[in-house]
Amino acid sequence: NAGVTQTPKFQVLKTGQSMTLQCAQDMNHNSMYWYRQDPGMGLRLIYYSASEGTTDKGEVPNGYNVSRLNKREFSLRLESAAPSQTSVYFCASSVTVTGVFNQPQHFGDGTRLSIL
Amino acid sequence: QKEVEQNSGPLSVPEGAIASLNCTYSDRGSQSFFWYRQYSGKSPELIMSIYSNGDKEDGRFTAQLNKASQYVSLLIRDSQPSDSATYLCAGANAGNNRKLIWGLGTSLAVNP
Repeated sequence: NAGVTQTPKFQVLKTGQSMTLQCAQDMNHNSMYWYRQDPGMGLRLIYYSASEGTTDKGEVPNGYNVSRLNKREFSLRLESAAPSQTSVYFCASSVTVTGVFNQPQHFGDGTRLSIL
Repeated sequence: QKEVEQNSGPLSVPEGAIASLNCTYSDRGSQSFFWYRQYSGKSPELIMSIYSNGDKEDGRFTAQLNKASQYVSLLIRDSQPSDSATYLCAGANAGNNRKLIWGLGTSLAVNP
């Protein structure tokens, strides 16, 4: 049972390059999230997908785009990478049921991204 | 601005002691709370979920929720050096489209 799988684990880019971070979950969760984590800043939500077919901006969406490819997969794209996007990126997923309290989010191992 | 606040620490306790981690939140509509542990260089790992006022115990961990005072705490009994990590508190309001509001975390060091 893999849970939440993120690829790649590490990446170095040059300013202006583009790349897509991949995330897949095998827990049949309907909600998926992309976070970035920087020292002293905590976890900040970039984008989320409450259910298949929907995506919404989080608190720091500028410079990113997302695609909810299907129920399992949620990708994050950097169109023109900037040094300020150097960070650790985490994908998470959770099950959501109408009328039921929020369920916890489960995290992937993260992608460590450096932009030179 | 909905916030979750934690003391950044570091909180230092001797091995075998009780570690007490605290979290306060501003959104009175928050109904669900979670404690995560994050080792350096690793991803957050869920330790406890709590939804009702009172205590919830799981092994050496006890989560406490007081909605009237808007605080959540995590007690770690018989602390071990392997408990040394950053502990993240998160809260959620069902009306907030399932997003979590995260604290910045408390660093815990358990000294042998």
